[in-house]
Amino acid sequence: AQKITQTQPGMFVQEKEAVTLDCTYDTSDQSYGLFWYKQPSSGEMIFLIYQGSYDEQNATEGRYSLNFQKARKSANLVISASQLGDSAMYFCAMREGYNTDKLIFGTGTRLQVFP
Amino acid sequence: DTEVTQTPKHLVMGMTNKKSLKCEQHMGHRAMYWYKQKAKKPPELMFVYSYEKLSINESVPSRFSPECPNSSLLNLHLHALQPEDSALYLCASSQAGKWGNTIYFGEGSWLTVV
Repeated sequence: AQKITQTQPGMFVQEKEAVTLDCTYDTSDQSYGLFWYKQPSSGEMIFLIYQGSYDEQNATEGRYSLNFQKARKSANLVISASQLGDSAMYFCAMREGYNTDKLIFGTGTRLQVFP
Repeated sequence: DTEVTQTPKHLVMGMTNKKSLKCEQHMGHRAMYWYKQKAKKPPELMFVYSYEKLSINESVPSRFSPECPNSSLLNLHLHALQPEDSALYLCASSQAGKWGNTIYFGEGSWLTVV
C-alpha cells in the first residue's frame, strides 16, 4: 500500500490566489514527521514546511501552511497569494519512528501559476 | 541557498568511464544520503550513511559505489553505467535517526550516460 498519496498530478492557480495541494499518509507509528518539498525545473529539492505527529498546531512558514488532520491522516499544503515563481513540482514526504533515516515520498503534484 | 553542495552539476559519461559525484555539507549533520530521480518521478533512496557508516543500501547495483570519507563529505563513484542510469542524483543530509529531523537536499547532479 502507498504510504504517501498525492492524488492531484497537476494543479492550476491564478496569481495572488490561494491553492491547496492534497496529501494523505498511512502509518501505524505514533511518532512521525511530515514534510513538503518544492522542486523547480532546475532540480533542487527545497524544504518548505514540517509538521510533527505530536504538534497540536498547524505549521506555518510565511505563505505556506500545513492543514494537519491527524484523524483523517491528511497533511495538505496551503500556499497563499500564489506567485509565478511558485510554479514547480511539490512533494509530500514522511519520516517514521526512531532510528530511521528513510524519507518516503509521494508521487508529487505539478503546480502551475498563471497571470 | 542550499547548504548541501553537489559537484558537478552536469556530467556526461560513456559506459566504460569511471567518474564520481561529490557532496559536501557543513551543517554538522551525521546522516547523508544519495537519491536517484528519474523524470516525472519522486526521488528513490539509494544509500544512507549514518555516523560515517553505511546504514542503508537499497539493493543498488554495484556499478554505484558510495563513500563517506568524513562527516562532511559523501561521494558516489560511478563505473560501467548503463544509459538507463541517466537521471538526477540528489545528495542530502540531516541529523541522524529521529523522525522529526528535516532532510536537506543539494541542487543535484544531472547525469547522462551515453
